[in-house]
Amino acid sequence: EIELRQSPGTLSLSPGDRATLSCRASQSVGTSLAWYQHKPGQPPMLLISEASSRTTDIPDRFSGSGSGTDFTLTISRLEPEDFAVYYCQQYVNSFRTPRTFGQGTTVEIK
Amino acid sequence: QMRLLQSGPGLVKPSETLSLTCTLSGGSLSNNHWTWIRQTPEKGLEWLGYIYYTGTTDYNPSLNGRVTISLHTSRNQFSLQVASMAPADTAVYYCALGSGRLRVWGQGTLVTVSS
Repeated sequence: EIELRQSPGTLSLSPGDRATLSCRASQSVGTSLAWYQHKPGQPPMLLISEASSRTTDIPDRFSGSGSGTDFTLTISRLEPEDFAVYYCQQYVNSFRTPRTFGQGTTVEIK
Repeated sequence: QMRLLQSGPGLVKPSETLSLTCTLSGGSLSNNHWTWIRQTPEKGLEWLGYIYYTGTTDYNPSLNGRVTISLHTSRNQFSLQVASMAPADTAVYYCALGSGRLRVWGQGTLVTVSS
């Protein structure tokens, strides 16, 4: 199983700040990596796939980068609605290799 | 626009089998993968498995064969069964579109395992 480790666990920032979230894989996943935003009482929402491809209707302040084992989600200027939990997920296409998620980074208002 | 609506019980007794259904609107089950995920405070988000519209399935080995995902194409539904439920299986269960990147999610169902 491929493990994903996200850091930091919590980011305390103010609206307008830049947020940088990290996701590190235990082995290479190429660019088979997605980022999700999760708010209480809602299902997760896909932000980024293929490490850097933004989903339709996701604002361009969200960007993803990386390949192999090290990935970054950047929110260039935090809006009030961006305070949430963010998860990375790998989806290497190999039978019986489970897709896995990181443990999440909470972006909270400072 | 595709939407997924989940249905099923919120309470299951230990050793029983959980059955949840996901109904698709605004699209067809064809040419897509359909996935189930769950979330617990202890383990976070856990991928349970998926089914392709042809019926091919892939499951998380950590569930030790307790998971079955099925298609019900005439009703535009797919379902999840988890056998031998235990308190550790208490979680929010989600259905989703996709096998890798999960583009559309159901609303989630909190399932509690308790006698």
